[in-house]
Order: sequence, then structure tokens, then C-alpha cells
Amino acid sequence: TQTVSQSDAHVTVFEGDSVELRCNYSYGGSIYLSWYIQHHGHGLQFLLKYYSGNPVVQGVNGFEAEFSKSDSSFHLRKASVHWSDSAVYFCAVSAQGGRALIFGTGTTVSVSP
Amino acid sequence: ETAVFQTPNYHVTQVGNEVSFNCKQTLGHDTMYWYKQDSKKLLKIMFSYNNKQLIVNETVPRRFSPQSSDKAHLNLRIKSVEPEDSAVYLCASSITGASAETLYFGSGTRLTVL
Repeated sequence: TQTVSQSDAHVTVFEGDSVELRCNYSYGGSIYLSWYIQHHGHGLQFLLKYYSGNPVVQGVNGFEAEFSKSDSSFHLRKASVHWSDSAVYFCAVSAQGGRALIFGTGTTVSVSP
Repeated sequence: ETAVFQTPNYHVTQVGNEVSFNCKQTLGHDTMYWYKQDSKKLLKIMFSYNNKQLIVNETVPRRFSPQSSDKAHLNLRIKSVEPEDSAVYLCASSITGASAETLYFGSGTRLTVL
């Protein structure tokens, strides 16, 4: 069974700062990892995903994530946040042949002016 | 651009009532899902339908039942709601339901059970 954990429940940053959101997973086989964003009052929107190849994947709006097999991690980063990046960010995992995405507990990002 | 449509946006009801939520996707996808998001933002898969066939049925109470007339529609019925059913119900779709696919979500239906 695959699991995913997000250790930070809440992160506060200033506009223009960089941010890194942590995601760790547990699974012994082939796995798909992705990040989604949820703005208040809305559904989730896809940011990026990784399965194989270059461990650094680029997403929308300047987000990128890096896969590390040794650390079992898939951390999300952005070099310079904007106030509109305030949202809840979910890491998700799906095993190859799996039937549904399993989501982490989410990290709320608050961007201050 | 929103392509997964959920109605209603909000619903307030009393314990014991029956409710039904609608979801329609215009993406031409074969697979649709229902997720429950609780007050702590935790997301749990409830059901998944691929071409009108149920392929995932997590351990949800029997008062919940998905209903699909075609692959573009997946409704959720709750017979005799309970207070713990208060949550946001999110509908999503994907092309085929394979592991690597991206999910497209609707804006959710917020249910409040008094």
C-alpha cells in the first residue's frame, strides 16, 4: 500500500520569497507522484507530475518539484511566490496499476505582502 | 476553464434526509470519481466509475450510492444523512483511469447536516 505524508501543515512566506513544500512517500514499487493546488472555495488543480526520467519536473506558474528515490521525497518549490499562490497544496501518489490517487494531508501556504 | 460541473454548490439539510449531488464533465473522459474532503481538508476517494462501471468502492457507508447514466455524468446520492456526512464532496474525471493520469476537479458541493 502506498502512503504519502506532508510534514508541514502551514507555511507562511512573504511575497517574493522562495518556498519549498515537503512530500514523502512510502511504496516499494513503481509510483506516480503529483502535486495539486486548491484555492479557497475551489476544487483541486493539477500542477505537475513525475513518473520517470529527469527527477526535476516543471509545472505551471513557476512551480517545480524534485523526485528523490533515496529520500522517498517529491518536494515542491517555487523561487518567488506571489500573493495568488496562497492556497492548499496537496501531494498525491498512485502506484502503477493502482486505481485512484491517494492524497497527502495538504500544506496551507499563506503569502503575506 | 472549468470542465467538471457540480451542482449544487451548497446544501444544508437535516439528519435523516436524502440528498443528491450532480456532476457532469465535458472533457470526454471515461473515468469519474467522487472524493470527500472533511473540515481538515483531508481527501478520501469514495467511488470511481469507468465507462459506467464501478471500479473503486472504498469502505463508505451504505447510505452513499453513486449513480451514472453515461460516462459524462456521475451523481452521488446519500440516503438518510448523518452529521458526519458534513463535508465538501468533490467530483473529478480523468481520461481512462490509469495510474499516471491527471485528475480534473469540479468546485465541489459543500454539505452541511444540522
